[in-house]
Amino acid sequence: KQEVTQIPAALSVPEGENLVLNCSFTDSAIYNLQWFRQDPGKGLTSLLLIQSSQREQTSGRLNASLDKSSGRSTLYIAASQPGDSATYLCAVYAGANNLFFGTGTRLTVIP
Amino acid sequence: EAGVAQSPRYKIIEKRQSVAFWCNPISGHATLYWYQQILGQGPKLLIQFQNNGVVDDSQLPKDRFSAERLKGVDSTLKIQPAKLEDSAVYLCASSLDGSSTDTQYFGPGTRLTVL
Repeated sequence: KQEVTQIPAALSVPEGENLVLNCSFTDSAIYNLQWFRQDPGKGLTSLLLIQSSQREQTSGRLNASLDKSSGRSTLYIAASQPGDSATYLCAVYAGANNLFFGTGTRLTVIP
Repeated sequence: EAGVAQSPRYKIIEKRQSVAFWCNPISGHATLYWYQQILGQGPKLLIQFQNNGVVDDSQLPKDRFSAERLKGVDSTLKIQPAKLEDSAVYLCASSLDGSSTDTQYFGPGTRLTVL
């Protein structure tokens, strides 16, 4: 069974710092990997989706990489802002009905 | 474009009572998902619909949970009777066609507390 792990569970950084969030998964047979953001009391917002054939995706200050063979993905956030404070979740899609989420990294950006 | 709507936002019930949640997906989205998110964990898929048909409900505790999407648009998830361990946020999501290139759009969730 696919297991998705995110490290660290929580992270605090001062505003302006660049940071990296990590995600690892045990089964490399995936179709894609997504990074989501979850704000308190709200649903999830998709940030980036990387197909299994891709190595990375970029959107603004966010860059996500995927190394399927090693079962790892990273989310890089450049020049962090207080508005980036949220929980970040990664999820791997392994076919119909098989979307597995990690437990998330709670990010706090200190002004 | 309107997002995924869910109601109620919060619900508090006592164990052994019944509860129902409602979800209205984004217009035109064929695929609808219900997730359960227990505090401190990632969401867990309960059931996936493609139009009005169930694609898979293997993780749905069918002795107490049921879900329907009769007209292929909005959906209801019911718990009867509720247990303490059902306390969680129930998230509804929708996507265009459920393919591997599809992005899921999530609603705000319903926070259920079972006392």
